[in-house]
Amino acid sequence: SQQGEEDPQALSIQEGENATMNCSYKTSINNLQWYRQNSGRGLVHLILIRSNEREKHSGRLRVTLDTSKKSSSLLITASRAADTASYFCATDKGYSTLTFGKGTMLLVSP
Amino acid sequence: AAGVIQSPRHLIKEKRETATLKCYPIPRHDTVYWYQQGPGQDPQFLISFYEKMQSDKGSIPDRFSAQQFSDYHSELNMSSLELGDSALYFCASSLENTEAFFGQGTRLTVV
Repeated sequence: SQQGEEDPQALSIQEGENATMNCSYKTSINNLQWYRQNSGRGLVHLILIRSNEREKHSGRLRVTLDTSKKSSSLLITASRAADTASYFCATDKGYSTLTFGKGTMLLVSP
Repeated sequence: AAGVIQSPRHLIKEKRETATLKCYPIPRHDTVYWYQQGPGQDPQFLISFYEKMQSDKGSIPDRFSAQQFSDYHSELNMSSLELGDSALYFCASSLENTEAFFGQGTRLTVV
């Protein structure tokens, strides 16, 4: 079964609003990472949260991790049109493989 | 800072041809991964190498093979190409199982 399912699949908001994307996974993990991808472009690493961490901040990004619920959320505050992209979560179990979820397409309108 | 370099950026091949994709990881990174991303799909793990040895294998077709060389660059070889192989192919590297950094990808189009 798919590890790392994101919801919503698509999110449309106005500039200045906050965007929250969720990710659920099925098995135990070592790390959970969030990536951003502009259409047809490379994956850009945003933030990594370890299984023993509950919350992490980086600029306008806030990531939470709830290992009891096997879920994570990515909050982008004060969104900008330039935040328009697809956002993926990816999990690993402490060795090499990253497993990606389906991604959330975020559209931020000016 | 140096990033993961992939070449070529774009590649057009005909069915049944062979393609070779190259990846140059971030210096001193010990792990290289290959991913395939079809249109509108999430990245799918193909194969990874740790210190030049294959460490994990995902949904990689038998027609594909990969290796990592002594200088740590990696190549993904794809033979008997099919239309369904058209996708973005990403290489990523990481150090000691920390953040994985991705290259810009190679867009392969099979016609």
